[in-house]
Amino acid sequence: QVHLQESGPGLVKPSETLSLTCAVSGYSISSGHYWGWIRQPPGQGLEWIGGIYQSGSTSYNPSLKSRVTISVDTSKNQFSLHLSSVTATDAAVYYCARTVGTGHPVDYWGPGTLVTVSS
Amino acid sequence: SYELTQPPSVSVSPGQTASISCSGDKLGDEYASWYQQKPGQSPVVVIYQHTKRPSGIPERFSGSNSGNTATLTISGTQSMDEADYYCQAWDSSTVIFGGGTKLTVL
Repeated sequence: QVHLQESGPGLVKPSETLSLTCAVSGYSISSGHYWGWIRQPPGQGLEWIGGIYQSGSTSYNPSLKSRVTISVDTSKNQFSLHLSSVTATDAAVYYCARTVGTGHPVDYWGPGTLVTVSS
Repeated sequence: SYELTQPPSVSVSPGQTASISCSGDKLGDEYASWYQQKPGQSPVVVIYQHTKRPSGIPERFSGSNSGNTATLTISGTQSMDEADYYCQAWDSSTVIFGGGTKLTVL
């Protein structure tokens, strides 16, 4: 069974960089699939942030592209999100997730981690 | 940018059929998936590739597609089905979510 777990600070100051890591167990990232980050502001809908293939190829939501970097560490079987210059509008539950890729659903989700933006 | 449009809310009586629509220009060419999200929980896929149901998802959940509109249907709706539902499709390598529909079982 594939298991994903997000970790990182729950509080980030405005203008700083939000950094989260997703540890994957039960499946080797090196084996394939597309690994992504999705966020959900309190009381709002889901927003795709971006994703990365095991090869390191990335794709980002155009609305966030200038501030987002997603990377993968196959040796630790984890991938990471960095979102720079955060503001209050970046406060959300952040989920890491897995999908086969285009045309396929997001089949595994982490439990999510709440990130608050405040000084 | 590509958008998926869902009704904000749908109400249904227990035992009746609930239908949630999702419209988008590319749904005629791209598969839709549907997710159920209950409060405080991560989303769970209930339908993928328009009509397929993952193992463990009750048979009362079904999906269809006609032109640019995908539809999630819940037959014999139960109180446990009260949740937010999101449709999802792909735009190249980007995942697109609909705005979500709150299903209320009255």
